[in-house]
Amino acid sequence: SQTIHQWPATLVQPVGSPLSLECTVEGTSNPNLYWYRQAAGRGLQLLFYSVGIGQISSEVPQNLSASRPQDRQFILSSKKLLLSDSGFYLCAWSVQTGGLTQYFGPGTRLLVL
Amino acid sequence: GIQVEQSPPDLILQEGANSTLRCNFSDSVNNLQWFHQNPWGQLINLFYIPSGTKQNGRLSATTVATERYSLLYISSSQTTDSGVYFCAVGFAGNTPLVFGKGTRLSVIA
Repeated sequence: SQTIHQWPATLVQPVGSPLSLECTVEGTSNPNLYWYRQAAGRGLQLLFYSVGIGQISSEVPQNLSASRPQDRQFILSSKKLLLSDSGFYLCAWSVQTGGLTQYFGPGTRLLVL
Repeated sequence: GIQVEQSPPDLILQEGANSTLRCNFSDSVNNLQWFHQNPWGQLINLFYIPSGTKQNGRLSATTVATERYSLLYISSSQTTDSGVYFCAVGFAGNTPLVFGKGTRLSVIA
């Protein structure tokens, strides 16, 4: 069966520090991968999605970037965090053919102080 | 782009009551999913339902694609049903889902 992992689970970082959040998927090959952010406990904002290694589509211009160095690994990064980057970050995956059902990871809570 | 509207935004129920959550979308889609986000933040797939009706225990969903809406029914609600319910729609291929803003459900004992 497929599983999706995210780490860390929680993170407190000072303004101006770098960020690296990791997401990995097991049990499937060549998945679509997604990064979402949820602020204030409501509404999911799509940040990035990827249909293959090295292929990243950005939905919202911002202080963040994403990379996909391996087929089942998706990384969200920032060089300098802003207060507004605080939120709940969710990674998701879907198969590339068929119904495109998305499955979400457990998320990372980021607080920027 | 496609717009997704969910109603009501907030709902408070007494345990044992029934409820209907609605999702309207602005364009024809061939992918529609309902999710439940529990109080710990985990998003759980409830239904993949681009059309028709499905049931899973006390939950059921109906999508009328020609009229661009979907309904999620919760019967005999329990406190564990509390959380936020999201509707998300999309198209075939690799385009991402578009999420509504959710309905926050609180079930009180």
